[in-house]
Amino acid sequence: AQSVTQPDIHITVSEGASLELRCNYSYGATPYLFWYVQSPGQGLQLLLKYFSGDTLVQGIKGFEAEFKRSQSSFNLRKPSVHWSDAAEYFCAVGALSAAGNKLTFGGGTRVLVKP
Amino acid sequence: DAGVIQSPRHEVTEMGQEVTLRCKPISGHDYLFWYRQTMMRGLELLIYFNNNVPIDDSGMPEDRFSAKMPNASFSTLKIQPSEPRDSAVYFCASRVAGAYTDTQYFGPGTRLTVL
Repeated sequence: AQSVTQPDIHITVSEGASLELRCNYSYGATPYLFWYVQSPGQGLQLLLKYFSGDTLVQGIKGFEAEFKRSQSSFNLRKPSVHWSDAAEYFCAVGALSAAGNKLTFGGGTRVLVKP
Repeated sequence: DAGVIQSPRHEVTEMGQEVTLRCKPISGHDYLFWYRQTMMRGLELLIYFNNNVPIDDSGMPEDRFSAKMPNASFSTLKIQPSEPRDSAVYFCASRVAGAYTDTQYFGPGTRLTVL
């Protein structure tokens, strides 16, 4: 069975500083990886996804993520954080099944942005 | 498009009462997913449907939980009887058929509190 670990529960970053969120996955086949963001009181919004090709994936809101098979990682980065990036971030791995993909989510990383 | 619609947004009930959560997926989407989010267990997939048919309900915690999808534009998740440990945020998500890497779109969630 697949699993996702997000080692950092909370991260505090200053506005304008860079941000990196860690994600490690366990999956027996080629993983399909996603990053979602959840703002307070809201549902989850997809930031980016990886399923093949270039291992550096660009997403919305200036985020990018790099897939490293050797490290079983899919870390999310942003060069310069804005106050509006304060939210909870979830990494997920998709399992291919006969009828569609099931997503397994990590525990999430809550990002606080200091002015 | 209005996105995935869930109702109610907040529900407070007493232990032993029946609770019904509702979801309207995005028009044209063939898959519908129900998730539960708690502090202790994070985001868990409860059940998902393809073309109104339940495909995998292995995440449904116990017989008190049931889900239906009578047509392509409506699904319910019912808890009967409810217990305090069912308190959580319940999300509905939908996606199109086709590539299993397609994005799941989440609704805003229903925050359930069972007293």
